[in-house]
Amino acid sequence: GAGVSQSPSNKVTEKGKDVELRCDPISGHTALYWYRQSLGQGLEFLIYFQGNSAPDKSGLPSDRFSAERTGGSVSTLTIQRTQQEDSAVYLCASSLGWGARTEAFFGQGTRLTVV
Amino acid sequence: ILNVEQSPQSLHVQEGDSTNFTCSFPSSNFYALHWYRWETAKSPEALFVMTLNGDEKKKGRISATLNTKEGYSYLYIKGSQPEDSATYLCASPNQKVTFGTGTKLQVIP
Repeated sequence: GAGVSQSPSNKVTEKGKDVELRCDPISGHTALYWYRQSLGQGLEFLIYFQGNSAPDKSGLPSDRFSAERTGGSVSTLTIQRTQQEDSAVYLCASSLGWGARTEAFFGQGTRLTVV
Repeated sequence: ILNVEQSPQSLHVQEGDSTNFTCSFPSSNFYALHWYRWETAKSPEALFVMTLNGDEKKKGRISATLNTKEGYSYLYIKGSQPEDSATYLCASPNQKVTFGTGTKLQVIP
């Protein structure tokens, strides 16, 4: 597609439920990044992919968070047993290559609300 | 400097004023420095990608400079307009595009 696409745009879930957030990067972009912005906070790095592998998972806040990427394209961020502190806007970005000398393009984000 | 730091955290300027803010980043193993503009209810959009010491880039009324030896970059906005109101993020990519917390600019008409 023309840009980075994320779905759903909004998600309200009950505490304890699992959620899946999807990211479709720009075609041909090998690097894919997940961030989140909690209320009043800056961008928090979660995980990045180079192709289908994730060399750096250090930003995932807990073992309830996992992410995968298949076919070097679509990525899914899964949050198990959601907690209220997981409420945030989850942003996905992609770039042409890793090492990021080229700009990252962001999706519109998924606003997750855990009630 | 161990992380990307931005200052000030927020800024209010009058329409027509010029302004600038700072991004500080680790100068060792420098790779690149990105500036992004993040408008409310939108996604961050890249303004500049800078890689060379002494780089100066310009886009309309917005420009940026880079000093990789001392680890800082300045973003300048000349003649601020209300549409410039946004959060300006800088990022120092190694492998994960680490962002600063941003400078929130409010231009008052």
